[in-house]
Amino acid sequence: AQSVTQPDIHITVSEGASLELRCNYSYGATPYLFWYVQSPGQGLQLLLKYFSGDTLVQGIKGFEAEFKRSQSSFNLRKPSVHWSDAAEYFCAVGARGSTLGRLYFGRGTQLTVWP
Amino acid sequence: GAGVSQTPSNKVTEKGKYVELRCDPISGHTALYWYRQSLGQGPEFLIYFQGTGAADDSGLPNDRFFAVRPEGSVSTLKIQRTERGDSAVYLCASSLMAGGGTGELFFGEGSRLTVL
Repeated sequence: AQSVTQPDIHITVSEGASLELRCNYSYGATPYLFWYVQSPGQGLQLLLKYFSGDTLVQGIKGFEAEFKRSQSSFNLRKPSVHWSDAAEYFCAVGARGSTLGRLYFGRGTQLTVWP
Repeated sequence: GAGVSQTPSNKVTEKGKYVELRCDPISGHTALYWYRQSLGQGPEFLIYFQGTGAADDSGLPNDRFFAVRPEGSVSTLKIQRTERGDSAVYLCASSLMAGGGTGELFFGEGSRLTVL
């Protein structure tokens, strides 16, 4: 069965520091992988996605993620965090084919940024 | 509108009552999804529409939950005989197409349901 694990429930970093949010997935084949961000009072916004090809994907707001098949991971990174990045981050896995759109989400990582 | 619109944004009801939650997707998006997000959890899939038909309703927790999309645009999620455990944020998302599409879902802000 598909599942996503985000081992860190809450992460705190200082503004300007680097960030890495961990995501591990369980899926029987090569999945589609996504990172979404959710700010208070706003809907989930797609940061980036991996479908195929280059395993290092660039997203919006300076985020990137690397797909590592051998580790079943899709960690999200940002070299220098801004205070506006404080939000909740969700990793998700989707199946290829007709059920695309049925995503399995992790429980999320809450990011706090100190000034 | 420019994005996915969900109404009401907040709904408080009593146990046993009937509730309807509405989703207006982005114009032209043929695929529509409902997810449920409980406190401290990630969104959980409920149902997916391709056009007017429910292509996958396997995520609906039981027969108290039902959703329709009669004209292939607006969708309504209906919950009968609400229970306290139904309290959650109900998210709607739409996408240009499923299957061969980019897979990007555009989410609304959600409808927060509280069952007392």
